[in-house]
Amino acid sequence: SAVISQKPSRDICQRGTSLTIQCQVDSQVTMMFWYRQQPGQSLTLIATANQGSEATYESGFVIDKFPISRPNLTFSTLTVSNMSPEDSSIYLCSVDEQLTGELFFGEGSRLTVL
Amino acid sequence: DAKTTQPPSMDCAEGRAANLPCNHSTISGNEYVYWYRQIHSQGPQYIIHGLKNNETNEMASLIITEDRKSSTLILPHATLRDTAVYYCIVRPSNQAGTALIFGKGTTLSVSS
Repeated sequence: SAVISQKPSRDICQRGTSLTIQCQVDSQVTMMFWYRQQPGQSLTLIATANQGSEATYESGFVIDKFPISRPNLTFSTLTVSNMSPEDSSIYLCSVDEQLTGELFFGEGSRLTVL
Repeated sequence: DAKTTQPPSMDCAEGRAANLPCNHSTISGNEYVYWYRQIHSQGPQYIIHGLKNNETNEMASLIITEDRKSSTLILPHATLRDTAVYYCIVRPSNQAGTALIFGKGTTLSVSS
């Protein structure tokens, strides 16, 4: 099974600033997925990141607010731009296991925006 | 929108079987049923998945009705550590490249 490391695990940020979350996988994967989990809520898919191409965003999420990089098959970043308190959430990275199709999740990055 | 319906919460006594139902009446022929759980403050954890046959692994059993419109996740001997939110998810394929779309899930509380 894939092992996923996310950084930072948590952070407290000021309104109007931006923060980049890193996701590192211990094996090469084609697709990486970014999710948001607002307090007390379920997970919502933000975007799908395929290496070598632009990320595909879900309805309600835009590239200017959540730019994503995917420079290689083991790494991706999600930036939360111009943050407001409404962006306070847990952001999770997920990857596919190629053979079984199982999705594995990182432990998440908990952001608090003041 | 999620394609599944689950009860918002369930209780179970430690040591007893926990049976978590899921309704997916609009499931298509090529769609799989996946179960994940999320223990507080952790990332979701894969439990089991199936297409039409019942499945069992070291964690749980998955019972899918013959018409595939509903399923039940069974934790045979629930422990306190099984307290979590359980998500039933219908996924178009079991192949890599397809994201999971989460519903609200069932909060299972296991008590001694």
